[in-house]
Amino acid sequence: NAGVTQTPKFRILKIGQSMTLQCAQDMNHNYMYWYRQDPGMGLKLIYYSVGAGITDKGEVPNGYNVSRSTTEDFPLRLELAAPSQTSVYFCASTGGVTLSNEQFFGPGTRLTVL
Amino acid sequence: GENVEQHPSTLSVQEGDSAVIKCTYSDSASNYFPWYKQELGKRPQLIIDIRSNVGEKKDQRIAVTLNKTAKHFSLHITETQPEDSAVYFCAASDSPNDYKLSFGAGTTVTVRA
Repeated sequence: NAGVTQTPKFRILKIGQSMTLQCAQDMNHNYMYWYRQDPGMGLKLIYYSVGAGITDKGEVPNGYNVSRSTTEDFPLRLELAAPSQTSVYFCASTGGVTLSNEQFFGPGTRLTVL
Repeated sequence: GENVEQHPSTLSVQEGDSAVIKCTYSDSASNYFPWYKQELGKRPQLIIDIRSNVGEKKDQRIAVTLNKTAKHFSLHITETQPEDSAVYFCAASDSPNDYKLSFGAGTTVTVRA
């Protein structure tokens, strides 16, 4: 199993540009999450999904959108990038308590907005 | 929503000594408390977790204790080694339907040789 994968690893955007961060998991997990981690800070929840077709806002959703058309994929869309969105983005998934509460993280995408 | 506070923000210990990191949470309904270790430039990885029906859990050199009454939990690392140097995050979950986690701000642990 590849676990949780993310692409790209690094990206530089100009202010106002848009992009999609890709996330996929092959563990058949229903629950998926997007976090951002600013330097020296903890992880803040952006959006999450409890299953295909269901998404909800987390703590810091402004400027982002998500979709969940399949169990495996959970892309994060940035519209009109701003310098405040410079961060490292982590995708995570869990099977829930029936398997384990453990959230498995992807390797992260380091995004810089200039 | 849940609010998790973590102390200290940095911790320097001599190799072989113990390290203790403490977290408090605000929602008494929280029932799952994981600890993650993040090495520089890497993803967070679970090192130990505890559920609200357990007061202590140990795995080799690491242990976690939970005090539900006081709403705090702690990570204990004994016989620290250089490879224990990393950022450690505590988290709490009060959402049995979506398993969302609220994270502390992290503790940077440096083990001095």
